[in-house]
Amino acid sequence: DAGVIQSPRHEVTEMGQEVTLRCKPISGHDYLFWYRQTMMRGLELLIYFNNNVPIDDSGMPEDRFSAKMPNASFSTLKIQPSEPRDSAVYFCASSEQGLYGYTFGSGTRLTVV
Amino acid sequence: DQQVKQNSPSLSVQEGRISILNCDYTNSMFDYFLWYKKYPAEGPTFLISISSIKDKNEDGRFTVFLNKSAKHLSLHIVPSQPGDSAVYFCAAGGGTSGSRLTFGEGTQLTVNP
Repeated sequence: DAGVIQSPRHEVTEMGQEVTLRCKPISGHDYLFWYRQTMMRGLELLIYFNNNVPIDDSGMPEDRFSAKMPNASFSTLKIQPSEPRDSAVYFCASSEQGLYGYTFGSGTRLTVV
Repeated sequence: DQQVKQNSPSLSVQEGRISILNCDYTNSMFDYFLWYKKYPAEGPTFLISISSIKDKNEDGRFTVFLNKSAKHLSLHIVPSQPGDSAVYFCAAGGGTSGSRLTFGEGTQLTVNP
């Protein structure tokens, strides 16, 4: 398996633009997590899905953020409109039922100017 | 509310010596703890874990200690090697957290040759 695949690796966008981050989890993993890494707060959980259903989105900072998982092999995190304070590295991770050992993707470094 | 805290943003040690990374948590319902290692431009990778029914778990050069009464865990690396230089994240899960993990801010370990 190729692991968790995220795209793009880097994204530079102007304030106010829409940004879409993509994730393909490991096949057979039924949990998918979106995390954001910042210097101040480390890895923050934004939202997670179980069997494609959002379970907890309490970490989503504002209504500007939305996430979907239309099927077991794909998820998106969208920011509209983007702001400079959204600049961070966004990680997607997946895991199997009942296991804590997440597998992370390589992340998307987002820069909003 | 930061439920998992790593109070040392950085640690520098000499090759061959012991590295001790610390982590504190506030939620007494956590029952599973993990350490992840992260190299630049990569996602975090699982390193070692410990269940709350244990107070020590060892894997080669890496040992994790858990002190439940103090709500404290630590990662010992002996002997430290330059390739261990990375950011180390402490994470906790279980109890009412379900399958989600709560991460600390991370500690940058630098092992000098």
